[in-house]
Amino acid sequence: DIQLTQSPSFLSASLGDRVTITCRASQGISNNLAWYQQMPGKAPKLLIYAASTLQSGVPSRFSGSGSGTEFTLTITSLQPEDFASYYCQQLNAYPITFGQGTRLEIK
Amino acid sequence: QVQLQESGPGLVKPSETLSLTCTVSGESVTSGDYYWSWIRQPAGKGLEWIGRVEINGNTEYNPSLKSRITMSIDRSKKQFSLKLNSVTAADTAVYYCARGYRGSYYFNWGQGTLVTVSS
Repeated sequence: DIQLTQSPSFLSASLGDRVTITCRASQGISNNLAWYQQMPGKAPKLLIYAASTLQSGVPSRFSGSGSGTEFTLTITSLQPEDFASYYCQQLNAYPITFGQGTRLEIK
Repeated sequence: QVQLQESGPGLVKPSETLSLTCTVSGESVTSGDYYWSWIRQPAGKGLEWIGRVEINGNTEYNPSLKSRITMSIDRSKKQFSLKLNSVTAADTAVYYCARGYRGSYYFNWGQGTLVTVSS
């Protein structure tokens, strides 16, 4: 199985901050990576697919980059609704796997 | 706008079979562009991909669960289903159904249903 390791697992930040979450794959996955946001008690929401393509309706303060084994999700100018958990997902090979998650909390 | 809704028992006894159905509304399930999938999440933990089924009946399962899983799809009812047998407490989780596109990017999710395994 391809393992995805997110860092950090926990992140404390303030409104207006710029934050970056990293996802490292245990082997190369090209750009076959997605990022999801999950609010407490809710289903995940797709933010970015193909490593860097912003899903329709997602604010432009979210961006993704990377290829191969290292990927990043960046959120510029944090808004109150951004404090949530974030997961990366690879679909380069079965079984599909997710990172362990990053919890973003308000400082 | 497609919507997905999980249904099924919220409580299952150990060693029995967990059965869930996902009902799709707003769009057909007959397109071959989509993978109809199940994903679960134990309380306070991360996401685990269970498997997916296509409209032609092809399936792909997580090897960690493969011996216990059956997935199927009913195009006339616009439903797809998950059966997980021989459950234990470790199978207690929120179960999500989701529609995968372009190789299992999950653009659409159900709201999730909590299944507890307990006697």
